[in-house]
Amino acid sequence: KNEVEQSPQNLTAQEGEFITINCSYSVGISALHWLQQHPGGGIVSLFMLSSGKKKHGRLIATINIQEKHSSLHITASHPRDSAVYICAVPPNTDKLIFGTGTRLQVFP
Amino acid sequence: GAGVSQSPSNKVTEKGKDVELRCDPISGHTALYWYRQSLGQGLEFLIYFQGNSAPDKSGLPSDRFSAERTGGSVSTLTIQRTQQEDSAVYLCASSIRTGPTNEKLFFGSGTQLSVL
Repeated sequence: KNEVEQSPQNLTAQEGEFITINCSYSVGISALHWLQQHPGGGIVSLFMLSSGKKKHGRLIATINIQEKHSSLHITASHPRDSAVYICAVPPNTDKLIFGTGTRLQVFP
Repeated sequence: GAGVSQSPSNKVTEKGKDVELRCDPISGHTALYWYRQSLGQGLEFLIYFQGNSAPDKSGLPSDRFSAERTGGSVSTLTIQRTQQEDSAVYLCASSIRTGPTNEKLFFGSGTQLSVL
C-alpha cells in the first residue's frame, strides 16, 4: 500500500463544474503539499497546509490531520485548470513522499 | 534569477556516457532537492542539501549517481555510465530555509534526459 494515495487517478469535467481531488496518507506529518504539474512538465506549489483550510482564488485545500486526509477543490473549473495535481507529504523528515497524481481534464 | 533554473532543458546521450545536470536555486534558498520523474511515474526523491550540512543521499538509486552543491548555491547532479533506465525528467527544487516540513518548494522546469 502506498503511503500517499490519491483519488481519482483520472478526472474529466465540463467547464464550470466543481471538482474535488482527495489525498489520504498513512504516515505522521506536520504539513501537506498540493502541487500542480502542467502538460509541459513544470511543477508549481499550490498550497502547503498543516491544519484547517486555505484558499487561493478558485482553489481551496483542506486537511484533517486526525483522519490523515486532505482535499483539493476547484470551483468554477476552467480548461486551463487541466493538469496533474499531486499531493505530497514530508513524513517527519525533509523528504517528500509523493502521491501518483490526479490527471484532470476540463473540457469547454 | 526569479525562479529555479535548470540546464540543459533537454539532454540526449548514448548509453555509457556521463552526464551533468545543473540547478541554480532561487537566491537565498538554503534547501535544495533533486527529484526525478520517469515516464508515467510519480516523483522520486534523489538527494537533499541543506545549508552546510551533509547532504541526504538516501534516494540516489546507485553509485553511478552523485551530486554536489558548491558555495551553497548551484548544484550539479552527475550520472556516470548512463543506462536507458536513467531516462527521466530530473527536477530541482529549493526552499528558503528548512524544507517541506514547513515551507513551500519552488521547482525548476526540469531536464529531460534521454539515454539511447
